[in-house]
This record gives sequence, C-alpha cells and structure tokens, in this order.
Amino acid sequence: KNEVEQSPQNLTAQEGEFITINCSYSVGISALHWLQQHPGGGIVSLFMLSSGKKKHGRLIATINIQEKHSSLHITASHPRDSAVYICAVALNTGNQFYFGTGTSLTVIP
Amino acid sequence: EPEVTQTPSHQVTQMGQEVILRCVPISNHLYFYWYRQILGQKVEFLVSFYNNEISEKSEIFDDQFSVERPDGSNFTLKIRSTKLEDSAMYFCASSNQMGASDTQYFGPGTRLTVL
Repeated sequence: KNEVEQSPQNLTAQEGEFITINCSYSVGISALHWLQQHPGGGIVSLFMLSSGKKKHGRLIATINIQEKHSSLHITASHPRDSAVYICAVALNTGNQFYFGTGTSLTVIP
Repeated sequence: EPEVTQTPSHQVTQMGQEVILRCVPISNHLYFYWYRQILGQKVEFLVSFYNNEISEKSEIFDDQFSVERPDGSNFTLKIRSTKLEDSAMYFCASSNQMGASDTQYFGPGTRLTVL
C-alpha cells in the first residue's frame, strides 16, 4: 500500500512570501498530481507530473522520482492562494489514486 | 470553459435508503471517476470507469455501491442501503486519457448526509 505524506500540515504565511509544500510517497508511481481544494470544497487540478518540473504562473511543481519526493512552490503568495493543497499519486500498477492529507495554507495580507 | 457538474449539491437521506448521485462529465472525456471525502479526512478513490465498465475500484467500493452511465452524458453513483458512515462529500471527475497520464477535472461535489 502506498503512503502519501505531506508537510507541513498547516502553513501560515505573510503575503508575498515564497511557500514550499512537500510530498513524499513510498512506492513506484506513474504520475503525481497537485490539487487545490478551496474552502467551499471544490477541487482544482494544478499539475500532473511524471518527471522534472512544471510552472504555471506563480506556481512551480517539481518531482524527484528517485527520491520519491515532490514539492509545490508558490512565489509571491497572495491571500487568494489560501486553500488546502493536496498531493495525489497514481501507482505504476494501475489507475487508482492515493491522496495525501493535504496542507492547509493561509496567506495573511 | 467546459466543466464537470454534479447534482444535487446536498442530499440528506435516512439510514437504509438508496441514493443516486449524478454527474455530467466533460463531453469529450472518456474516463470517469468517483471519490469521496469524509469531513476532516483525505480524499479517497472509489472507482474509475471506462468504455462502459469499471476499470478499477478501491476496497471501499463494495457491493453497496454501483456506477452507471445510463446515457451519453450522465455518470451516476448509486449507494444502496446507506449507512451513517457514508456521510461524506462525493466528487466526480473526468479525464480525456487514463487518469495517471492526464489531468482530471473535478465536479463541485455532492454533500451526502445520512441520518
């Protein structure tokens, strides 16, 4: 069974700060997804990674397959970035996703 | 922009009753998924569906659950004889390719409350 660990669990930052959220997993995966869950519950897919690095606006996601680790970075954070950020992995063996418990981010003006 | 829709947004039911949660995936997508999130807990995979059949399901998805694509647009999750512990937010998602290799688009969720 794959375990997906995220850190930190909770994060409070001042507006403008650079933020890093980490995700570690324990077995081989075919892809890793970063998701954003808004306070109302809706889920938005941010990135899908199988190697390297991706950038979208102020968001950057990296993955190191050998170390079984991924990071999500937010540059110049803004209060509207406040949400729960979730890491989800798809195993090599199938189409099933395993989700982390999420990192709750609060950005203070 | 196309989006996944779900109805109802909130369903309240009595224990033992059957419920059907409805989803309309993005129209050209081929892969469909159901997830659930119990309040305060992480999102859990229930089932994936492709070509009119289940392609993968989790341990949670037992005989109490079933999925169906009754027509070209709807994708439903049926829960027979609901239990208190079925209370959760249920999310539908769809993708154009197999989930591991493609972005999934999530619906807004249906909050199920079992009394």
